Amino acid sequence: KNQVEQSPQSLIILEGKNCTLQCNYTVSPFSNLRWYKQDTGRGPVSLTIMTFSENTKSNGRYTATLDADTKQSSLHITASQLSDSASYICVVFAGSARQLTFGSGTQLTVLP
Amino acid sequence: ETGVTQSPTHLIKTRGQQVTLRCSSQSGHNTVSWYQQALGQGPQFIFQYYREEENGRGNFPPRFSGLQFPNYSSELNVNALELDDSALYLCASTTPGESYEQYFGPGTRLTVT
Repeated sequence: KNQVEQSPQSLIILEGKNCTLQCNYTVSPFSNLRWYKQDTGRGPVSLTIMTFSENTKSNGRYTATLDADTKQSSLHITASQLSDSASYICVVFAGSARQLTFGSGTQLTVLP
Repeated sequence: ETGVTQSPTHLIKTRGQQVTLRCSSQSGHNTVSWYQQALGQGPQFIFQYYREEENGRGNFPPRFSGLQFPNYSSELNVNALELDDSALYLCASTTPGESYEQYFGPGTRLTVT
């Protein structure tokens, strides 16, 4: 069964600090992995998409890594801001099956 | 903004009633997917429409049905509402091509009482 597991479930950090969110997946076949940011009550917004051959991808203060051998990904947020408070969802796309498998998300709270 | 719009924003219904949710996809996107997201959970795939035909379905009962129109806008219909149907309903339109990037709408918050 295709699964995406994220940790931690929730995280509280102080403004200006860095943090790293984890994603482990068992999805086959693998096509790409996405990280989305979802503000409360809103739709998810894409941060990065990484294919099998990409190890690192950055989008401003967000840096995603992918280890396709161990089936692990991480999202690193640098110099956090209050506006980073949101749920961060890891999603794996099984290309040939045209299916997306979603993680349950990590709820990040940034405090002043 | 992703260019995907949904209506209504919020909705309150009574158990047993029927509801229709609407989605306008981003221009040029011919595939629309619908998701149900319970509080604190990731989105769960309901079904997908491609060029007006259902093109994949998740583990949802037949009382969840949909339509896609020639302009690629879409509807999600839920009959005989149950309390557990209370959730955020998201639609996402998809770029043509191999990346299969999805753009999500803001969602409709459905509350069943």
